[in-house]
Amino acid sequence: QKEVEQNSGPLSVPEGAIASLNCTYSDRGSQSFFWYRQYSGKSPELIMFIYSNGDKEDGRFTAQLNKASQYVSLLIRDSQPSDSATYLCAVNRGQKLVFGQGTRLTINP
Amino acid sequence: DGGITQSPKYLFRKEGQNVTLSCEQNLNHDAMYWYRQDPGQGLRLIYYSQIVNDFQKGDIAEGYSVSREKKESFPLTVTSAQKNPTAFYLCASSPGRDRGSKAFFGQGTRLTVV
Repeated sequence: QKEVEQNSGPLSVPEGAIASLNCTYSDRGSQSFFWYRQYSGKSPELIMFIYSNGDKEDGRFTAQLNKASQYVSLLIRDSQPSDSATYLCAVNRGQKLVFGQGTRLTINP
Repeated sequence: DGGITQSPKYLFRKEGQNVTLSCEQNLNHDAMYWYRQDPGQGLRLIYYSQIVNDFQKGDIAEGYSVSREKKESFPLTVTSAQKNPTAFYLCASSPGRDRGSKAFFGQGTRLTVV
């Protein structure tokens, strides 16, 4: 079992709709959870982080964490073509930062 | 401007050669990380360091070496023992050993074996 798992996609969403990205993790002791956006050929950019169970909203982005189910998700409302990218879930495991394989998201105009 | 600088952006290596990738940060961050990314894949941890003069192996350390002699610098050497070094290498730093510390990335070095 991988430490951090994501559906690699591609996930295709119409412009203006809600994109939902999911991530599961194996270590119940994980405390911190991050979402990065990576455009093709570029380095990852931090867009959201969450530490406590529940929802955290920032603009069009909402991160959701359920530690009991070991599940973290990212919702993107009013999806725009500029949101087309690969989204990487990352989890702190001790002093390490472990990444999933990423989900490729395409927003169709 | 504060940030993380990786150099060079593109690097070509002949088989059997060692090459060193540079990573410098002026954010006063304690922790630094090296990741490798292959096409269509996520990031795999090579080495990480939480303080000067100390570093730990990540999940794929074989064929790589690092040093952390200064807080600002964390160079990665890709040795000839690394059999498949062609990849995108990413350096990151975060403020400290706090589990909530957010990591930020340099622009990456794309290494190709020729």
